[in-house]
Amino acid sequence: DTGVSQDPRHKITKRGQNVTFRCDPISEHNRLYWYRQTLGQGPEFLTYFQNEAQLEKSRLLSDRFSAERPKGSFSTLEIQRTEQGDSAMYLCATLDRPDAIGYTFGSGTRLTVV
Amino acid sequence: QKEVEQDPGPLSVPEGAIVSLNCTYSNSAFQYFMWYRQYSRKGPELLMYTYSSGNKEDGRFTAQVDKSSKYISLFIRDSQPSDSATYLCAMSGYGGSQGNLIFGKGTKLSVKP
Repeated sequence: DTGVSQDPRHKITKRGQNVTFRCDPISEHNRLYWYRQTLGQGPEFLTYFQNEAQLEKSRLLSDRFSAERPKGSFSTLEIQRTEQGDSAMYLCATLDRPDAIGYTFGSGTRLTVV
Repeated sequence: QKEVEQDPGPLSVPEGAIVSLNCTYSNSAFQYFMWYRQYSRKGPELLMYTYSSGNKEDGRFTAQVDKSSKYISLFIRDSQPSDSATYLCAMSGYGGSQGNLIFGKGTKLSVKP
């Protein structure tokens, strides 16, 4: 168990539906990242938070995507009006301190859009 | 050309073999180089990281960085079936907290008993 929990582990949804994923980081880790990994590819950066502040967003994060981290604890990633191209593994990762190297990843949420 | 190139394999070796995994990159600003291991249906886990050029050894694993050639390697000695996984290289221009990581596609390794 990596200590970073993601829920659900697998989500199947119909095209056009909204989905929300949750990440519960290791409690003292104040940096939280979202990555997306499609089949046969490495993870791609989506966005990250320093406590509750969203500091950077990738161009991959279209206006259908929104992420929040209220009170700097857990984080949610919502996808509205899902498309088949959104099918991927969504990974949450944290850092324990600003000068740390290398993330601790959760096991991910696998999204399948049918 | 992608910023980070990695041969996806698959790579199949017998138990006990020395495995060599490699990545090339194009961005000379990269300073931090990492290797992650990812088992099926799991998130990546950090194996090793190196700052700038040089070698780093940890048990059966050795990471090498050649910035002049923009080439990094991971060697696994005495490979075991439990090493069967996808190995991802990752890079950033800053410490992990100050910039997001750029990952290669990953190389799928299978170690046969």
